[in-house]
Amino acid sequence: EVQLVESGGGLVQPGGSLRLSCEVSGFTFSSYRMSWVRQAPGKGLEWVANIKHDGSEKHYVDSVKGRFTISRDNAKNSLYLQMDSLRAEDTAVYFCARDRLWLLQGLDYWGQGTLVTVSS
Amino acid sequence: SYELTQPPSVSVSPGQTARITCSGDSLSKQHAYWYQQKPGQAPVLLIYRDIDRPSGIPERFSGSSSGTTVTLTISGVQAEDEADYYCQSADSSGGSVFGGGTKLTFL
Repeated sequence: EVQLVESGGGLVQPGGSLRLSCEVSGFTFSSYRMSWVRQAPGKGLEWVANIKHDGSEKHYVDSVKGRFTISRDNAKNSLYLQMDSLRAEDTAVYFCARDRLWLLQGLDYWGQGTLVTVSS
Repeated sequence: SYELTQPPSVSVSPGQTARITCSGDSLSKQHAYWYQQKPGQAPVLLIYRDIDRPSGIPERFSGSSSGTTVTLTISGVQAEDEADYYCQSADSSGGSVFGGGTKLTFL
């Protein structure tokens, strides 16, 4: 059974940092591109970042470039999102997802999300 | 940057057909994907590559494409289909974009 479990969310002050983790099981993690997607309270989905299966290629939405860093540890079957210089508008539930978009298969498995709240 | 436009809401009577559109210039070059999200839950992939349905998705969900507009059709809408629906496409720079989402409600 495929499982993606996010962790690391919480309350952080503006300007602070947080590191999200996504631990996966049930598939060969090292073979797949992965994405982070977020959803602000009461709002729609926003793609945040993706990373190629070997970590050699990363892409970000403009609003987080220079502040967020996506990474992965294939030996630990884990995906990460380092979030620095956090702003109130980064408050959201953050989902990790298996990204098969470039195989024309979409984001086919998602975690349940972890809530990040940026507030003083 | 690419933008995908969806109607904020679509209303339908149970048993009728609902159609949700998604428009954007990128859709003439990129495939579209559809997701269903119920309150407090993660999104679920409904349609990929404009028209294909993953295993386990009911046949009443179908997708179509014409030019810069794609459409999600739900035939014989059931109570459990009340949810938010999002379209998505890849962009040319390696990322992707979601539409603003459409809330499907019953009349």
